[in-house]
Amino acid sequence: DAGVIQSPRHEVTEMGQEVTLRCKPISGHDYLFWYRQTMMRGLELLIYFNNNVPIDDSGMPEDRFSAKMPNASFSTLKIQPSEPRDSAVYFCASSFSRSEAFFGQGTRLTVV
Amino acid sequence: KNEVEQSPQNLTAQEGEFITINCSYSVGISALHWLQQHPGGGIVSLFMLSSGKKKHGRLIATINIQEKHSSLHITASHPRDSAVYICAVKGFGNEKLTFGTGTRLTIIP
Repeated sequence: DAGVIQSPRHEVTEMGQEVTLRCKPISGHDYLFWYRQTMMRGLELLIYFNNNVPIDDSGMPEDRFSAKMPNASFSTLKIQPSEPRDSAVYFCASSFSRSEAFFGQGTRLTVV
Repeated sequence: KNEVEQSPQNLTAQEGEFITINCSYSVGISALHWLQQHPGGGIVSLFMLSSGKKKHGRLIATINIQEKHSSLHITASHPRDSAVYICAVKGFGNEKLTFGTGTRLTIIP
């Protein structure tokens, strides 16, 4: 397996634009996580899914953020409209229940 | 106060030295993770612990559940060990990870 695959690796966008981050988890994993990493706040969980169902979205900062998992092999994190304070590295990770998580390489988002 | 505290925040050592990074947490946990992140790179899971001790090569992780404390040790440190090491804990009944702020390790040749 190629591991958790995220795209794009880098995204630069203008304030107000819609941004979509994509994630392909490891095949067979039943949990998928979206994390955000900033210098100020470190790593934070945004949302996680179990068997494609959102379980906890309490970390999603506001209504501008939304995440979907239409099937077991694909998830998206969307920001609309984007703001400069959304600039961060966004990581996707997947795991089996009660096992270690495998992280993607991250998407570095810059909103100007 | 953060639920997960790491120390030190920064550590610089000479190649070959024995390294210890500490993690303390304030809540009951089902598991503790040690993660490694190289500059500009992705995050790699090193260990997942719920008790005792684990060893992979030159890396050793220990946990004391009663004292709510874990340590990550690196023996015979090497410049390629330079990275940020992050401790994360998982509570009971869910899969959420709460992260420490990380320890930036620099090994000088």
